[in-house]
Amino acid sequence: KNEVEQSPQNLTAQEGEFITINCSYSVGISALHWLQQHPGGGIVSLFMLSSGKKKHGRLIATINIQEKHSSLHITASHPRDSAVYICAPAGGTSYGKLTFGQGTILTVHP
Amino acid sequence: KAGVTQTPRYLIKTRGQQVTLSCSPISGHRSVSWYQQTPGQGLQFLFEYFSETQRNKGNFPGRFSGRQFSNSRSEMNVSTLELGDSALYLCASCLRGGGSYTGELFFGEGSRLTVL
Repeated sequence: KNEVEQSPQNLTAQEGEFITINCSYSVGISALHWLQQHPGGGIVSLFMLSSGKKKHGRLIATINIQEKHSSLHITASHPRDSAVYICAPAGGTSYGKLTFGQGTILTVHP
Repeated sequence: KAGVTQTPRYLIKTRGQQVTLSCSPISGHRSVSWYQQTPGQGLQFLFEYFSETQRNKGNFPGRFSGRQFSNSRSEMNVSTLELGDSALYLCASCLRGGGSYTGELFFGEGSRLTVL
């Protein structure tokens, strides 16, 4: 069993739909990152969470440390949101030692 | 403010050769981490450096090594290249120390290595 499990692996949506990506992990963590990767490789960190909930624009991330679960929500999805979304817990006292989920490929159609 | 800079962006090597990749973090960032991305294994953690010291190392053979300089720039080296080392190598920096430890990671564009 992988230490980090994301679901779904592939997600197709129509513009405007509400999107949820889930992440479950079994490792002990100091924080959890949600990353976005567009075709071509560049990775952007969307959120770093150690508890509760964070919001940036149309993106919301939540984490439940006791249940070892995090979710990324996109409200009013847009074609430019099409990308791979990766959950990455950071272990121990490190913020850079990441264990990566396999990623969720999101495609938003106009 | 300049972002994280990785050089070279693309390179082609043959089996048995060695390669050195460079990462210049955002000014003021003292922590640099390295990652490997392949189609088969996905993203994997390689190393984490802070103040010229390796703080963590991933599960990679000894052919993979790295270092960090006093100006926080970091290099990683892969010796005796194998076909399976073909990958995108990414580095990320974060602000750490002096009461300004946010933990947020900023990624470079990566160095794409092809081993023939």
